[in-house]
Amino acid sequence: DGGITQSPKYLFRKEGQNVTLSCEQNLNHDAMYWYRQDPGQGLRLIYYSQIVNDFQKGDIAEGYSVSREKKESFPLTVTSAQKNPTAFYLCASKASGDHNEQFFGPGTRLTVL
Amino acid sequence: AQSVAQPEDQVNVAEGNPLTVKCTYSVSGNPYLFWYVQYPNRGLQFLLKYITGDNLVKGSYGFEAEFNKSQTSFHLKKPSALVSDSALYFCAVRPPAAGNKLTFGGGTRVLVKP
Repeated sequence: DGGITQSPKYLFRKEGQNVTLSCEQNLNHDAMYWYRQDPGQGLRLIYYSQIVNDFQKGDIAEGYSVSREKKESFPLTVTSAQKNPTAFYLCASKASGDHNEQFFGPGTRLTVL
Repeated sequence: AQSVAQPEDQVNVAEGNPLTVKCTYSVSGNPYLFWYVQYPNRGLQFLLKYITGDNLVKGSYGFEAEFNKSQTSFHLKKPSALVSDSALYFCAVRPPAAGNKLTFGGGTRVLVKP
């Protein structure tokens, strides 16, 4: 998990509330990603950013928003519009170049009460 | 559309025996292929990747994987499994035109028994 931090590790939210998950990397990577992990479904891409001040929707972007104001940071907001937000959220980053692998943070487990 | 299949939800193996975790893919062109491992409540750790060249790729912790283009497979192998190898394993593919996006398989849980 080295080089990428996610906070908090556990997060509890009441229905109808927005919540922001933090992701910071000190690897000087250009690209950053947010994934959602549910049991038996692998990882699904929510949003990704290939450069500062730019980001694209992934496969399941509805109910989520992101920003990329700094190279090191890529926060994810889970809005009240996300119908089933309880999941394990993983952030990743990657150096430029198609052949480079993604490095993952330790994850944040979000539970909606 | 590209896809990755890991046909086994769980693989059970005795410690010291060979371990194989299967992965097949469906993409056009020549993809990049990756294996990751995940321990409980942790992020994914990179194990190895195939970009080009030798079909047998060696990675971390004694793991290796064989790329087979004709069978569109990229199976993960370890000659002698350890109890500590018990974890969730993910195969991922990046098609040539996908930019920086990965597509993951559903994961295979490996249980190594003493």
